Amino acid sequence: EVQLVQSGAEVKKPGESLKISCKGSGYRFTSYWIGWVRQMPGKGLEWMGIIYPGDSDTRYSPSFQGQVTISADKSINTAYLQWSSLKASDTAMYYCARLGVNTAMVEDYWGQGTLVTVSS
Amino acid sequence: AIRMTQSPSSFSASTGDRVTITCRASQGISSYLAWYQQKPGKAPKLLIYAASTLQSGVPSRFSGSGSGTDFTLTISSLQSEDFATYYCQQYYSYPRTFGQGTKLEIK
Repeated sequence: EVQLVQSGAEVKKPGESLKISCKGSGYRFTSYWIGWVRQMPGKGLEWMGIIYPGDSDTRYSPSFQGQVTISADKSINTAYLQWSSLKASDTAMYYCARLGVNTAMVEDYWGQGTLVTVSS
Repeated sequence: AIRMTQSPSSFSASTGDRVTITCRASQGISSYLAWYQQKPGKAPKLLIYAASTLQSGVPSRFSGSGSGTDFTLTISSLQSEDFATYYCQQYYSYPRTFGQGTKLEIK
């Protein structure tokens, strides 16, 4: 069974750093792109970027380029999303999702989400 | 970036109704369109990809159509579990972009 399990909720202060994770199981992790999607409170979905864990090829949305870093450790089947200096506006739910090879490379399996709260 | 516009943003319907949601792309995207359903507090769920291909396990009352710039998601007979927010997404080019969502509420 394909599963993406994300790390738990975080409460941080502005200016702090953070790295959240997404662990894949039930499939060959290195052969599927993993993407990240932001959902601010009460708002819609925003596509942030994707990574191919096999070679760490990464694509970012211009809206998030330079604001976050997407990475992966294929030895432990885990993708990451990190911030070096959080802002209050980073408060949101963050989802990881697998891009399915048999589903036209769209986001077919999703993690449960990680809620990030940034507040002084 | 390609802009995706859904209509309506919200509406009310009753169980058994036939419902259609529209998604328009700011430029042609061929059939590179997906539809997702999201319920409160849950992750999105893939319903349809390639504009009209039903994801495995999704009930056949859901269907999608369109190509180029105009797309529709149709629910043939609304069930109680279908009340949720629906998003379209283009994956024709990077960055992928979602529509703003359509919230389907019980009348």
